[in-house]
Amino acid sequence: DAMVIQNPRYQVTQFGKPVTLSCSQTLNHNVMYWYQQKSSQAPKLLFHYYDKDFNNEADTPDNFQSRRPNTSFCFLDIRSPGLGDAAMYLCATSRRPGTSSYEQYFGPGTRLTVT
Amino acid sequence: RKEVEQDPGPFNVPEGATVAFNCTYSNSASQSFFWYRQDCRKEPKLLMSVYSSGNEDGRFTAQLNRASQYISLLIRDSKLSDSATYLCVVNKLGGGADGLTFGKGTHLIIQP
Repeated sequence: DAMVIQNPRYQVTQFGKPVTLSCSQTLNHNVMYWYQQKSSQAPKLLFHYYDKDFNNEADTPDNFQSRRPNTSFCFLDIRSPGLGDAAMYLCATSRRPGTSSYEQYFGPGTRLTVT
Repeated sequence: RKEVEQDPGPFNVPEGATVAFNCTYSNSASQSFFWYRQDCRKEPKLLMSVYSSGNEDGRFTAQLNRASQYISLLIRDSKLSDSATYLCVVNKLGGGADGLTFGKGTHLIIQP
């Protein structure tokens, strides 16, 4: 009954080597989000898709890209990971706006290590 | 002023006690407010939404004060399993699918 699935749960990549993190959902939610969470810090929104519309946060580095080929899947691409990109990456989904609640459902996260 | 501010704690509380946290937010246009719970190295999980009239769910009570721009969480009869980080969460803008702004969280430790 997993609702938001992230793969892999742990990812090790080398400095500068492109890496892709995956998220899928069975909730049929319109909105999918990617957050970055570093140790002892709050989750920080990187970007989100509302259906096919991509919305980038102003302070998200260009090194981070995203793709959403269909409703169920969303990918986070880090083109040239640096040591400072080591973090937990959380995917979340929510229903379309206009509902009374914007609560988000989070996946278990992918912990990225950069060596 | 930070968008969402919380006292990071830790709050060390004996089992069975009542504990309360506050959180302030800067965007007066925010419309949706939540408390999430996050266990160590796990994803955040929704604890409860916070409604204008205040709401209660078992031992947990959440309140919203729009005039002063803060929300609160009260936990009664605390259990060891309540030990976690409690994240105050607010919609980034006035509404829509704009993502959430998280506070850094308040770390709660319930002691036997």
